[in-house]
Amino acid sequence: DAGVTQSPTHLIKTRGQQVTLRCSPKSGHDTVSWYQQALGQGPQFIFQYYEEEERQRGNFPDRFSGHQFPNYSSELNVNALLLGDSALYLCASSLVSGHYTDTQYFGPGTRLTVL
Amino acid sequence: AQTVTQSQPEMSVQEAETVTLSCTYDTSESDYYLFWYKQPPSRQMILVIRQEAYKQQNATENRFSVNFQKAAKSFSLKISDSQLGDAAMYFCAYKVDKIIFGKGTRLHILP
Repeated sequence: DAGVTQSPTHLIKTRGQQVTLRCSPKSGHDTVSWYQQALGQGPQFIFQYYEEEERQRGNFPDRFSGHQFPNYSSELNVNALLLGDSALYLCASSLVSGHYTDTQYFGPGTRLTVL
Repeated sequence: AQTVTQSQPEMSVQEAETVTLSCTYDTSESDYYLFWYKQPPSRQMILVIRQEAYKQQNATENRFSVNFQKAAKSFSLKISDSQLGDAAMYFCAYKVDKIIFGKGTRLHILP
């Protein structure tokens, strides 16, 4: 049973560029959440996708956008990169259970460095 | 605002001993979930233990157990018989709809 996978593992970009990160959820999961983890901090919630729609959003600017595909995989796009966007980006998948999503399982993350 | 506070940035424990990591949270909700996640140097966030707020019984997973005090909004993690592989960052997290993480506690295991 494959867990959550993310690609790429590492990425280096320059200020002003755009980046796309990818996530495949754990088998059987239908919901994907994205988190940003700055060095030495806990992860911060960016947004969550369910049924190909953004279900919830954290306190992140519109430069951060996402997409979920029919196979439940997801992309995180960041436009006009800033130095402060350098972080570990974590994807987590879960299964909707009633009103709430169940326990989230995390991928290994993508380390983004903005120069 | 919902917040999660981990007051111990770093802790050390001798191998085979017991250690307790502290966590408090602030919420006006009555129905929520609490988690402890472990993040080793490999970066993979691993679920250690989960507690539903409506359950009074403290969750236990092998050597890991919690002390959940709902009125005090406290959720500490006890690790018994500490092993070298337990060395990692430990994050306390709270969830109603989205997960809110604390800043983490780095746990060192001394051989």
